[in-house]
Amino acid sequence: GESVGLHLPTLSVQEGDNSIINCAYSNSASDYFIWYKQESGKGPQFIIDIRSNMDKRQGQRVTVLLNKTVKHLSLQIAATQPGDSAVYFCASSGAGNTPLVFGKGTRLSVIA
Amino acid sequence: GAGVSQTPSNKVTEKGKYVELRCDPISGHTALYWYRQSLGQGPEFLIYFQGTGAADDSGLPNDRFFAVRPEGSVSTLKIQRTERGDSAVYLCASSTYGTGRETQYFGPGTRLLVL
Repeated sequence: GESVGLHLPTLSVQEGDNSIINCAYSNSASDYFIWYKQESGKGPQFIIDIRSNMDKRQGQRVTVLLNKTVKHLSLQIAATQPGDSAVYFCASSGAGNTPLVFGKGTRLSVIA
Repeated sequence: GAGVSQTPSNKVTEKGKYVELRCDPISGHTALYWYRQSLGQGPEFLIYFQGTGAADDSGLPNDRFFAVRPEGSVSTLKIQRTERGDSAVYLCASSTYGTGRETQYFGPGTRLLVL
């Protein structure tokens, strides 16, 4: 089966520092990966996605890195701001139209 | 434009009762998904619609759970004989085509509490 997990359940960073949130997946057939941000009381909000034919993708202040060899995914947030405080989920899907499988989430706390 | 909306935002019911949760997807989105999120966990897939038909219902936990999307837009998740273990946030998402490799946009969720 497919499972997606996170290395750290909580992460505290100083405002202005860079944040790195890690995620491991187990299914080598996974070929689509996505990061969501979820604030308290709200639904998950799309941040960035990446397909397995890429190693890196950049967005505004965010970068996703994919290492297929070790089945590892990371989200980097540059110049972390208080508004970045939330729970971050990685999710993946495999070949065909398989459902997204979410990890448990990492809570990011930004210290002002 | 308007995002995914869900009603009610909160629902409190008694064990054994029937509940309906509604989802209005983004206009024009073919695919609609239902997830369940327990406290401290990531969303868990329940069912996925492609148009009016349920393309994958493998995540429904048992036959007390049922969902419909009769006109290919609004969807209703129905739970019969609710149990305390059904308490969770029920999330709906929609995407353009439902290829599995496109962004799913989530609604705010319905918080269900079964007493």
